[in-house]
Amino acid sequence: AQKITQTQPGMFVQEKEAVTLDCTYDTSDQSYGLFWYKQPSSGEMIFLIYQGSYDEQNATEGRYSLNFQKARKSANLVISASQLGDSAMYFCAMHSNSGGSNYKLTFGKGTLLTVNP
Amino acid sequence: NAGVTQTPKFRVLKTGQSMTLLCAQDMNHEYMYWYRQDPGMGLRLIHYSVGEGTTAKGEVPDGYNVSRLKKQNFLLGLESAAPSQTSVYFCASSPWESSYNEQFFGPGTRLTVL
Repeated sequence: AQKITQTQPGMFVQEKEAVTLDCTYDTSDQSYGLFWYKQPSSGEMIFLIYQGSYDEQNATEGRYSLNFQKARKSANLVISASQLGDSAMYFCAMHSNSGGSNYKLTFGKGTLLTVNP
Repeated sequence: NAGVTQTPKFRVLKTGQSMTLLCAQDMNHEYMYWYRQDPGMGLRLIHYSVGEGTTAKGEVPDGYNVSRLKKQNFLLGLESAAPSQTSVYFCASSPWESSYNEQFFGPGTRLTVL
């Protein structure tokens, strides 16, 4: 069974500063994928970034980067130069690529990020 | 492209009533999913489908049924609603790929069961 743990229920950051949102995962599979989604107060789920377990480079998408430490089973999201519009709930999720089950996502409980002006 | 749409956006039911939530996607995706989101719980998978005519149970399937008669539609049914089913329901879809499998989400349906 897979498990995602997000230990920070809430985080605060000053505008223009960087922030790291923590995510640890547990799986016995060798092939898996890690995702981060953003959920603003309007409620929609917005895909941010993906990291495959065999990807050698950390994933980056604009101001988002994923600090992937496979041995520690962590996949932290780093947001650089925070903006007020980054205030939202952030979810870490994973799926396994083993046995053809790569379509089921397991989500963490989320971290509520507040960006202060 | 509309992406993933959900109908209705809001609904209030009384205990014991039934209803169907409709999810539609226009991206020709093979996989479709229903999740529920409760405060402090993240998203949990209710049921999913890997293709037209197929469905399977997820993490929290009790009290729900699903059908996928057409590739573009995935219906979630509540036969006898209970207050514990008060939640926000999200539908998602994804293409068939061997590894990277981003799920595209609908806007959600907020359901209240009194």
